[in-house]
Amino acid sequence: EVQLLESGGGLVQPGGSLRLSCAVSGFTFSNYAMNWVRQAPGKGLEWVSNISGDSGHTYYADSVKGRFTISRDNSHNTLYLQMNSLRAEDTAIYYCATSMGDLWIQLWILPSWGQGTLVTVSS
Amino acid sequence: QSALTQPASVSGSPGQSITISCTGTSSDVGGYNSVSWYQQHPGKAPKLMIYEVSNRPSGVSNRFSGSKSGNTASLTISGLQAEDEADYYCSSYRSSSLLVFGTGTKVTAL
Repeated sequence: EVQLLESGGGLVQPGGSLRLSCAVSGFTFSNYAMNWVRQAPGKGLEWVSNISGDSGHTYYADSVKGRFTISRDNSHNTLYLQMNSLRAEDTAIYYCATSMGDLWIQLWILPSWGQGTLVTVSS
Repeated sequence: QSALTQPASVSGSPGQSITISCTGTSSDVGGYNSVSWYQQHPGKAPKLMIYEVSNRPSGVSNRFSGSKSGNTASLTISGLQAEDEADYYCSSYRSSSLLVFGTGTKVTAL
């Protein structure tokens, strides 16, 4: 059974930093691209970032480019999101999600999701 | 990074069929067969219901079907059930911003 468990969320002041983790099990982690998707309170879904299985390619939404860094540790089956220069508008539940595969068309299909971790940016 | 356009809400009686639209442009929905649909119950993670316009993942009821015409994709729920009440989001690959979601539609079984 595929399982994804996010952690690391919490309250942080504007301008601060936070690192999210996503521990996965139930599949060969290194074979799949991974994503972060966020959802502001009461709002819709927003894709944040994607990383290929071998970490060779990373992609970001314009809203986080230059502030967030996605990475992964295939030896520990863990995905990360380093978030710097946080703003109030970054407040959201952050979900990690698998891509369906490593082919380009499969990168944008997200079949498995974690339960999310809440990040609140406020003074 | 504008979202794809969905109706805010759609409702129907149990047993009826409903259709949710998802309108984009030739740079996303109309240009690629990369439309997916996700179901999200309150307080829960999204669940993939349809991918590549009309494919159902294993385990998803065949009451859910997808289609596309031009720049508009559609999700049809046949035989609406109380358990189908949820928010639904479309998504598509977009050449400029990679992955874009729709504005979301709340489905209500009257």
